[in-house]
Amino acid sequence: AQTVTQSQPEMSVQEAETVTLSCTYDTSESDYYLFWYKQPPSRQMILVIRQEAYKQQNATENRFSVNFQKAAKSFSLKISDSQLGDAAMYFCAYRPSGNTPLVFGKGTRLSVIA
Amino acid sequence: DAGVIQSPRHEVTEMGQEVTLRCKPISGHDYLFWYRQTMMRGLELLIYFNNNVPIDDSGMPEDRFSAKMPNASFSTLKIQPSEPRDSAVYFCASGGTQFDRWPYNEQFFGPGTRLTVL
Repeated sequence: AQTVTQSQPEMSVQEAETVTLSCTYDTSESDYYLFWYKQPPSRQMILVIRQEAYKQQNATENRFSVNFQKAAKSFSLKISDSQLGDAAMYFCAYRPSGNTPLVFGKGTRLSVIA
Repeated sequence: DAGVIQSPRHEVTEMGQEVTLRCKPISGHDYLFWYRQTMMRGLELLIYFNNNVPIDDSGMPEDRFSAKMPNASFSTLKIQPSEPRDSAVYFCASGGTQFDRWPYNEQFFGPGTRLTVL
């Protein structure tokens, strides 16, 4: 079975600084997606960034970027120039290709210090 | 489109009562997923449907839980009888069409229903 592990239950970062959230996963599939979701106190699940496994180039979305290491099965999220609005729970998620359910990690609670 | 709609947003009930959670997926999506979020277990899949047919219900915790999708625009998750350990946030997500590559297979989450069983 596929599993996703987030080893950092909590992280904190100073406003305007950079923080990296870690994620590892286990799968025997060769074609899959990886995601980072943000969950603010409103509970809404917000897609931050995604990575297709077949793409070697790391995905980037504005201040958010990933470090995808396929051989190591590692998928970390880097948030640059952290803002107070970035404070939230962040979930790493995996999904095989096609229309399949997401498998989530346990989440990392990020605090941003002004 | 209004996105995935879930009702109610909050539900407080007493142990032993029947609870029904509702979901309206985004029009045109072929897949519907029910997830549950708890502090202990995190986010986990309960069941998902393709074209109104249940595909995988292995995540449904026990016989007290049942889910239906009578048509493409409506799904329910029912708990009968409810227990305090069912207290959680329940998310519905929809996505996917006949094209199974991105962006056609992106999943869109509803706002969730927070269930409290006393």
